[in-house]
Amino acid sequence: TQLLEQSPQFLSIQEGENLTVYCNSSSVFSSLQWYRQEPGEGPVLLVTVVTGGEVKKLKRLTFQFGDARKDSSLHITAAQPGDTGLYLCAGALVGGYQKVTFGIGTKLQVIP
Amino acid sequence: NAGVTQTPKFQVLKTGQSMTLQCAQDMNHEYMSWYRQDPGMGLRLIHYSVGAGITDQGEVPNGYNVSRSTTEDFPLRLLSAAPSQTSVYFCASSYRRDAEAFFGQGTRLTVV
Repeated sequence: TQLLEQSPQFLSIQEGENLTVYCNSSSVFSSLQWYRQEPGEGPVLLVTVVTGGEVKKLKRLTFQFGDARKDSSLHITAAQPGDTGLYLCAGALVGGYQKVTFGIGTKLQVIP
Repeated sequence: NAGVTQTPKFQVLKTGQSMTLQCAQDMNHEYMSWYRQDPGMGLRLIHYSVGAGITDQGEVPNGYNVSRSTTEDFPLRLLSAAPSQTSVYFCASSYRRDAEAFFGQGTRLTVV
């Protein structure tokens, strides 16, 4: 079982549509990160959320950290073909654990 | 701006062969890690290190060894390659475990 569950795993939408991707857990995280990965490349950080209830915006991308710090969401407004990629959430558990865990990812395709 | 350098980019091994995947970073990061990425399974942590001389196991350590003699280098050794180790391997570094992770470009390994 995954510590971080991401949904949906696959998403294919038309350019201009809005979408939301979810990252859920039953565990509490000190912080959560969102990465985007393009084919043949390593993941690249989009944002880190640290405080429960925090909302961060990055142009058309809005990230939210749940109040209990167990979940996060990524909302994209007016998706563009350049948003196509694999979106990964990652987190470090509260409690002194040194490991960072990644979700399986959401593969997004934006069709022109 | 080298960042994280991984070599080789592609490798084909025969079952039972051994090899070392190289990873070097020039950002003076203390935290380094190795992941494997498989379809439908996301990024899984193999081994990680919180500083020179300190390493620990991740989720899937069997069949792999690591060492961290310097801050810059974190090689991953496959002791006796098996087809189940066919995967894409990523090395990452960050200044602490929950900070932004910088990834190498990945090594696509095929074991036949």
